Amino acid sequence: DGGITQSPKYLFRKEGQNVTLSCEQNLNHDAMYWYRQDPGQGLRLIYYSQIVNDFQKGDIAEGYSVSREKKESFPLTVTSAQKNPTAFYLCASSMGRLREQFFGPGTRLTVL
Amino acid sequence: GQQVMQIPQYQHVQEGEDFTTYCNSSTTLSNIQWYKQRPGGHPVFLIQLVKSGEVKKQKRLTFQFGEAKKNSSLHITATQTTDVGTYFCAVYSGYSTLTFGKGTMLLVSP
Repeated sequence: DGGITQSPKYLFRKEGQNVTLSCEQNLNHDAMYWYRQDPGQGLRLIYYSQIVNDFQKGDIAEGYSVSREKKESFPLTVTSAQKNPTAFYLCASSMGRLREQFFGPGTRLTVL
Repeated sequence: GQQVMQIPQYQHVQEGEDFTTYCNSSTTLSNIQWYKQRPGGHPVFLIQLVKSGEVKKQKRLTFQFGEAKKNSSLHITATQTTDVGTYFCAVYSGYSTLTFGKGTMLLVSP
């Protein structure tokens, strides 16, 4: 069954700690994306990658880092430099340019 | 990048009433996509519109792309409680990244 998985669904961390969110896809998609969603808001792009070993900053990349060592995986690290990390994080993938995006179930991060 | 304004932000209807959300841009769009996010869920792709004046239907949902390709609408006929959620329009900035509107939250009372 193809799709995108994100883990964990809920994550709690203390302020000042780095945390890594997992995103895996078995759709054979080249492009992958990370979004942040705050209550009542749309989706804001953090980072995206169109090919293995390459990624680009989105609109709100500060305080985040990513890697793309495998086509299937695009983990996101929320660093202690991110001033307001509590949010709903969504990973997505697509076949390519101008195509629809498929989203994972999301990880809800709460920093205490 | 591209900016899209989506209105209304929120709408509460009685089951059986119609619902429309609008997405507007100051610039010409190459295409527009619509997504639905159920409460507590993730966005799910509904449709993509590409051509000027295009109209597409999915059961009770009707999607339109304006003649000038600067606006789009999603109309739901005779809403049902299963239509509850937030509807987003999204447009490509360049060819690589989507910019999402802030969404219209639809609440349907039985």
